[in-house]
Amino acid sequence: NAGVTQTPKFQVLKTGQSMTLQCAQDMNHNSMYWYRQDPGMGLRLIYYSASEGTTDKGEVPNGYNVSRLNKREFSLRLESAAPSQTSVYFCASSPRVGPVNTGELFFGEGSRLTVL
Amino acid sequence: GENVEQHPSTLSVQEGDSAVIKCTYSDSASNYFPWYKQELGKRPQLIIDIRSNVGEKKDQRIAVTLNKTAKHFSLHITETQPEDSAVYFCAASRASGTYKYIFGTGTRLKVLA
Repeated sequence: NAGVTQTPKFQVLKTGQSMTLQCAQDMNHNSMYWYRQDPGMGLRLIYYSASEGTTDKGEVPNGYNVSRLNKREFSLRLESAAPSQTSVYFCASSPRVGPVNTGELFFGEGSRLTVL
Repeated sequence: GENVEQHPSTLSVQEGDSAVIKCTYSDSASNYFPWYKQELGKRPQLIIDIRSNVGEKKDQRIAVTLNKTAKHFSLHITETQPEDSAVYFCAASRASGTYKYIFGTGTRLKVLA
């Protein structure tokens, strides 16, 4: 049981290049999220997906696109990378809220992206 | 918009002392308040959470208190140990079908031996 797996772990891009961060979870969770973490800024929500086939904007969606490919996978795409997108990106998943489920977020290990 | 403020940004305590981290939230509809711990270079992990129908919850050396009227909640760590050194994040969310968490900016706790 791997939990939440993100790839790549490290990436260096030049301004204007594009790339996709991949995320997969094997816990049969309905909801998936992408966060970015910057020093002094905490964790900011970029996009989330309540269930397969749906996506919604979070706090800082500009410059990003997402795809919920199936229940397991949720990818984040930077179409034209900018230095301001240098950050650590975390994917997370959570089960649907219910009498037992607390809605706990399970995070991946993070992807460190540098845009030059 | 929704906002969560967290204080202090850094906190140093002597081993064995208590540590308190405070958060305030703006969305009065928020009713679920988790706390996450992130050790250096690691992923955040849930350590305790509280729902709005209770005022306090305790789990061994950690406790969380909630004041819904004032829109404040706090994390209390007693008898701190070096392994408590980490960054702690509070968050607030409406407990609906999908949690849309808004996180605080984090508190770096250093426990001095």
